[in-house]
Amino acid sequence: DSGVTQTPKHLITATGQRVTLRCSPRSGDLSVYWYQQSLDQGLQFLIQYYNGEERAKGNILERFSAQQFPDLHSELNLSSLELGDSALYFCASSPRQGAYDEQYFGPGTRLTVT
Amino acid sequence: AQSVAQPEDQVNVAEGNPLTVKCTYSVSGNPYLFWYVQYPNRGLQFLLKYITGDNLVKGSYGFEAEFNKSQTSFHLKKPSALVSDSALYFCAVRDSNAGNNRKLIWGLGTSLAVNP
Repeated sequence: DSGVTQTPKHLITATGQRVTLRCSPRSGDLSVYWYQQSLDQGLQFLIQYYNGEERAKGNILERFSAQQFPDLHSELNLSSLELGDSALYFCASSPRQGAYDEQYFGPGTRLTVT
Repeated sequence: AQSVAQPEDQVNVAEGNPLTVKCTYSVSGNPYLFWYVQYPNRGLQFLLKYITGDNLVKGSYGFEAEFNKSQTSFHLKKPSALVSDSALYFCAVRDSNAGNNRKLIWGLGTSLAVNP
């Protein structure tokens, strides 16, 4: 158990809908990272937050947004969902903002868009 | 362009034999390199990292990795494979571009199958 929690574990929704994925980092970790994992694209970095502020951006679509709250939990919002958004979404956390720290991954949220 | 390559999609090895999972990288400056493992239906777990110092890095579960600057490689190794090592292995390197140095560049993963 990494100490990172994600909810929900599974989510099934229809095209065009909006969903919110939630992540609680390990106790004491200030950085949160979001990743998308799919069979055809592999593991894609989406975005990083550190202590409430955006720190790095990856291949995140404009339909997707994220934020980190004062209690350090983070939410990833996915809107106008398309079939291609079906994937595993992982959250990870690390103590600081440097990428030389190892990241601790949550169990993931499996999103299915029908 | 900065990149990480895992040239083998799948590696098969017999239990008890040594295993190697290959990783090569291309970054400017000093590389910070990582290996992670993903077991079925689980999140990724950190195995080991190279930041500086000894080229041979020891990590979790008996794994080690050798940093080779001249060959720009960071291969993951284990002297004696276990069936329970069967999983997906990811290599990653820190993006050293200004403004992006907090994110990792990930390989596509190598599926390791250890046969009894």
